[in-house]
Amino acid sequence: QKEVEQNSGPLSVPEGAIASLNCTYSDRGSQSFFWYRQYSGKSPELIMFIYSNGDKEDGRFTAQLNKASQYVSLLIRDSQPSDSATYLCAVLRNQGGKLIFGQGTELSVKP
Amino acid sequence: DTAVSQTPKYLVTQMGNDKSIKCEQNLGHDTMYWYKQDSKKFLKIMFSYNNKELIINETVPNRFSPKSPDKAHLNLHINSLELGDSAVYFCASRPEGGQGLTGELFFGEGSRLTVL
Repeated sequence: QKEVEQNSGPLSVPEGAIASLNCTYSDRGSQSFFWYRQYSGKSPELIMFIYSNGDKEDGRFTAQLNKASQYVSLLIRDSQPSDSATYLCAVLRNQGGKLIFGQGTELSVKP
Repeated sequence: DTAVSQTPKYLVTQMGNDKSIKCEQNLGHDTMYWYKQDSKKFLKIMFSYNNKELIINETVPNRFSPKSPDKAHLNLHINSLELGDSAVYFCASRPEGGQGLTGELFFGEGSRLTVL
C-alpha cells in the first residue's frame, strides 16, 4: 500500500462545475496535509494546506480533512480551464520531516 | 531573481555515462531536497540536506550521490546511468517555519534527464 494514494484520473469537468479531488494516507500519525498544483512541464506549487479536521477555504479552493478516515480532499468551485493541471496530495511525515507525495490526479476543465 | 535554479534543464546522455545536476537557491533556506518525478508524475523523495548535513537518504542506488558545498547549493551526481534513471529531477528548498509547518517546498524548474 502506498503511503499517499490518489486516483490518477484524468478527471474531466465542465467549466463552472465543482471539481473534487481525493486522497488517502496510511500513516495515522500524520499531522499536516498539502495540495500542490503542477501545470504540464512546470514545477509543483503549493496551493493549500490543512492540519485540523474539517474544511478550510481559500477563494475557490476548499481543503477537507478527516483524520479518522485518513482522507483529504480538495474541492475547486467554479472550475476554470486554467485549473487544468495535475494536483498532488502530500503528507508531512513527522518522523524525519519528509513530505510524501501521492501520484497526482490530472484535472481537465473543458470550456 | 530565480529562487531555486537548476542546471541543466535538459540532459540527454548514453547509458553508462556519469552526469551531474546542479541546484542553487537564493531564498536563505536551510533545507534542500532532491525529488525524482517519473513518467507517471509520481514525485519521490531522494535526499534532503539541512545546512550541508544529509538528513534524509531514501532507498536510492548508490550510483546517486548528493553533495552540498554550502547551504545554498545541492548538487546531484549520477554514475553509470541506466535507462530507468530517465526522469525529471526536481530540486526544492524549504523555509524554517514556512506555511504548513515545514510542508511548503519551493521547487526548481526541474532537470529532464533522458538516458539512451
